[in-house]
Amino acid sequence: GQNIDQPTEMTATEGAIVQINCTYQTSGFNGLFWYQQHAGEAPTFLSYNVLDGLEEKGRFSSFLSRSKGYSYLLLKELQMKDSASYLCAVVIYNQGGKLIFGQGTELSVKP
Amino acid sequence: ETGVTQTPRHLVMGMTNKKSLKCEQHLGHNAMYWYKQSAKKPLELMFVYNFKEQTENNSVPSRFSPECPNSSHLFLHLHTLQPEDSALYLCASSQGPGPSSGANVLTFGAGSRLTVL
Repeated sequence: GQNIDQPTEMTATEGAIVQINCTYQTSGFNGLFWYQQHAGEAPTFLSYNVLDGLEEKGRFSSFLSRSKGYSYLLLKELQMKDSASYLCAVVIYNQGGKLIFGQGTELSVKP
Repeated sequence: ETGVTQTPRHLVMGMTNKKSLKCEQHLGHNAMYWYKQSAKKPLELMFVYNFKEQTENNSVPSRFSPECPNSSHLFLHLHTLQPEDSALYLCASSQGPGPSSGANVLTFGAGSRLTVL
């Protein structure tokens, strides 16, 4: 079966750095997405990793290790508006590019 | 209008009612999706349409009936639902069949919050 694990909740302080981990056990891996979802809003695309390593995009970075089945999303200089749910999703290429989601990590940023 | 638009945003219905959810995308995408999002659970893929043809039905009960009249519009017809069907229903679109690469990023609508009494 396909399994994706993320912590359910995290809390961090404004201005700090937080790392949200995602581990996966899937067949036919073909990349990993991170999405951000504010309460009552649509999930929005943050990053896509298919090769090992770190992808940096402003305050957000995403890392992938295919051999370890592991990814993390790193958020720097946290702002109150970063309070949201962060969804990890894996692309399964041998199922027509199907996207399997983790349950999401609810991040609360405190002043 | 830009992006993916879903209506209604909120819907309350009884178990004997018939209602429909509507999704429209203005991105020129060829693939459209229905996802179900329940509290504390992962997003569940329900249906996939590529070029108006249904390519995936993820073992969804027949009380959910999708319709895709063209590449820009997607409907989810609802009838004789159960209280456990209460959830946020998200529509998404992507450029091509399946998000198999970074070029096929899913763009989501804001969702329709369904409550079944």
